[in-house]
Amino acid sequence: AQSVTQLDSQVPVFEEAPVELRCNYSSSVSVYLFWYVQYPNQGLQLLLKYLSGSTLVESINGFEAEFNKSQTSFHLRKPSVHISDTAEYFCAVTTNSGNTPLVFGKGTRLSVIA
Amino acid sequence: ETGVTQSPTHLIKTRGQQVTLRCSSQSGHNTVSWYQQALGQGPQFIFQYYREEENGRGNFPPRFSGLQFPNYSSELNVNALELDDSALYLCASSFPDRGPATQYFGPGTRLTVL
Repeated sequence: AQSVTQLDSQVPVFEEAPVELRCNYSSSVSVYLFWYVQYPNQGLQLLLKYLSGSTLVESINGFEAEFNKSQTSFHLRKPSVHISDTAEYFCAVTTNSGNTPLVFGKGTRLSVIA
Repeated sequence: ETGVTQSPTHLIKTRGQQVTLRCSSQSGHNTVSWYQQALGQGPQFIFQYYREEENGRGNFPPRFSGLQFPNYSSELNVNALELDDSALYLCASSFPDRGPATQYFGPGTRLTVL
């Protein structure tokens, strides 16, 4: 079975500062990894994903995440945050053995302070 | 916008009642997964339907049941509602037939059980 640990439940950061949201996973098989973002009173939006290939993946709004197999991590980073990045961020894992469900972490609340 | 829609947006029920939630998949997607997100938690997998057949189930009791229709829309039914069933219910659609299946989420249905 897979599991995901998001080490920080809340991360406050000043606008234009860098941020890293940490995600570690556990799995006995190869995995696919995802970051989803949830704005207040909304569903989940896919931010970025790692399926294969380059271990560094990027989103269109400046976030990036790096898959580190040896450390079983998939940390999310952004060099300069905006007020609009305030949201809940969820890391999720699934196996690459077919149409398997996502296993989510408990989420990290990113609060950007003006 | 993912193209996944859910109805209703909000719902209030009393303990012991039954509820039906609906999900319309993104065009071309043949798989629907349902998740329960309790307040302050990450989504938990309920079950998945692939081409109208249940294709996996999480740790939820039998009073949680579902259907998928020929147009790949889906229903989640919950009988004998309990207070702990209060949550945001999310559906996600995907198309796994050609490789890694990214799940795209709808906006969710907020269920309150009194």
